[in-house]
Amino acid sequence: GAVVSQHPSWVICKSGTSVKIECRSLDFQATTMFWYRQFPKQSLMLMATSNEGSKATYEQGVEKDKFLINHASLTLSTLTVTSAHPEDSSFYICSASASKNTGELFFGEGSRLTVL
Amino acid sequence: GEDVEQSLFLSVREGDSSVINCTYTDSSSTYLYWYKQEPGAGLQLLTYIFSNMDMKQDQRLTVLLNKKDKHLSLRIADTQTGDSAIYFCAESISQAGTALIFGKGTTLSVSS
Repeated sequence: GAVVSQHPSWVICKSGTSVKIECRSLDFQATTMFWYRQFPKQSLMLMATSNEGSKATYEQGVEKDKFLINHASLTLSTLTVTSAHPEDSSFYICSASASKNTGELFFGEGSRLTVL
Repeated sequence: GEDVEQSLFLSVREGDSSVINCTYTDSSSTYLYWYKQEPGAGLQLLTYIFSNMDMKQDQRLTVLLNKKDKHLSLRIADTQTGDSAIYFCAESISQAGTALIFGKGTTLSVSS
C-alpha cells in the first residue's frame, strides 16, 4: 500500500525555538495533504489542509502564523511550529490521499513534539 | 456541522467477539472508515466502506452500515490480546482530497 513518512518521529526543543516536521508520500503523488494534532487520549483534530502550490487552508481556531505549512512538491509537505511553547507539545500526524477513486487516506507515523 | 460519536471504552475476553459502534451526522458521507491506533503508534487503516454498501467483511473484521440510522459498527471476531488498541471511526463527505472527521475513539481492552 501507499506509504506516508514523517520526520522526525520525536523532537524535544526549548521554548521559543521553531521546529519543522516533514511529511512525505514515498510512492505516490499527493496534491493534498492534511495535518492533524492529537492530544493525549483524545481524537485527532484537523489543523489544516495543505495544497501543493497554493496556501494551506486552516481550520477555525488554528493560528496560521504559529503553524506554518508549506506544500513544496507533490510528495512533500512541511509543518513548522514557530516560537514553540510547552502548550504546543503534542502528537502531530499528517495524511495524504493516494487515490481519487476510493477516498482512502494514508497516515504518517506521527511526530511527537515536546517543548521544554 | 459534522459530528462522529463513539463509546469510549469496551472490554472483552480473548476469543469473544467485539462490537464497536459509531454514529455520524452527515448523511452525505461517501466513505466511512475504521482506524486502529496502538499505544505510541500512528494510525493504521483497518477497513473502509462506501456509503452504498450495507456490509463489508475482511477476515475477522465485519463492518455494518445502517445509512438510515447513520450507524456504523465494527465487529472483530475471535478477539485477541493483540487487538487491544484505540479504534477510531471516521467519515469523509467527498472523494479524495477531503479530510476526515474522527470520533473520539473507543479503547478496546482484551483480557486473557
